[in-house]
Amino acid sequence: GENVEQHPSTLSVQEGDSAVIKCTYSDSASNYFPWYKQELGKGPQLIIDIRSNVGEKKDQRIAVTLNKTAKHFSLHITETQPEDSAVYFCAASFSGGYQKVTFGIGTKLQVIP
Amino acid sequence: DGGITQSPKYLFRKEGQNVTLSCEQNLNHDAMYWYRQDPGQGLRLIYYSQIVNDFQKGDIAEGYSVSREKKESFPLTVTSAQKNPTAFYLCASTGGDGQRGRPNYNEQFFGPGTRLTVL
Repeated sequence: GENVEQHPSTLSVQEGDSAVIKCTYSDSASNYFPWYKQELGKGPQLIIDIRSNVGEKKDQRIAVTLNKTAKHFSLHITETQPEDSAVYFCAASFSGGYQKVTFGIGTKLQVIP
Repeated sequence: DGGITQSPKYLFRKEGQNVTLSCEQNLNHDAMYWYRQDPGQGLRLIYYSQIVNDFQKGDIAEGYSVSREKKESFPLTVTSAQKNPTAFYLCASTGGDGQRGRPNYNEQFFGPGTRLTVL
């Protein structure tokens, strides 16, 4: 089955700096890579996703890059703000129908004002 | 407002007791999922259901059971056979509608979770 590794497990940055979270996956059949943000006491919420036919996607201060050959993808948050503090999960699955999603262990991001 | 709800928010159980966690969605989603979240282990899939009256085991199904008698409901029972049940349980659903108005059969909508503590 699919295995997703995520690092770092914790990350502290100064407000305004950038944050980068990296993930690798094992199953070359995976072609959908979402990122979820989980605030304290809540369920995760999708913030951005990328499919394997695209190498990079950007949404305001958030961007995701994908390297299919190396089987890794990354989340980039620029100009971090205190409200970005949360746990971020990467995931991988195969698109098409309702598929299992394999999540990474999560990264706890702390943005220091 | 459409959404996915879980109840109760906090649940306490004595050892040896079965307990059922509720998950309801009014999003008209076909698929529903149960995850367990433990510190440092991310989200691990317990069971999932792609359609009413059908479900499949996930990666850590032992000690759990589910039913899917209605499209909007997917209750999870934590049985006494689950050796370490204390955890945060998350329910999710997916049905093709993405957050940004475009179809996305992979986007999962999560409930707020239930924290189960075994005393």
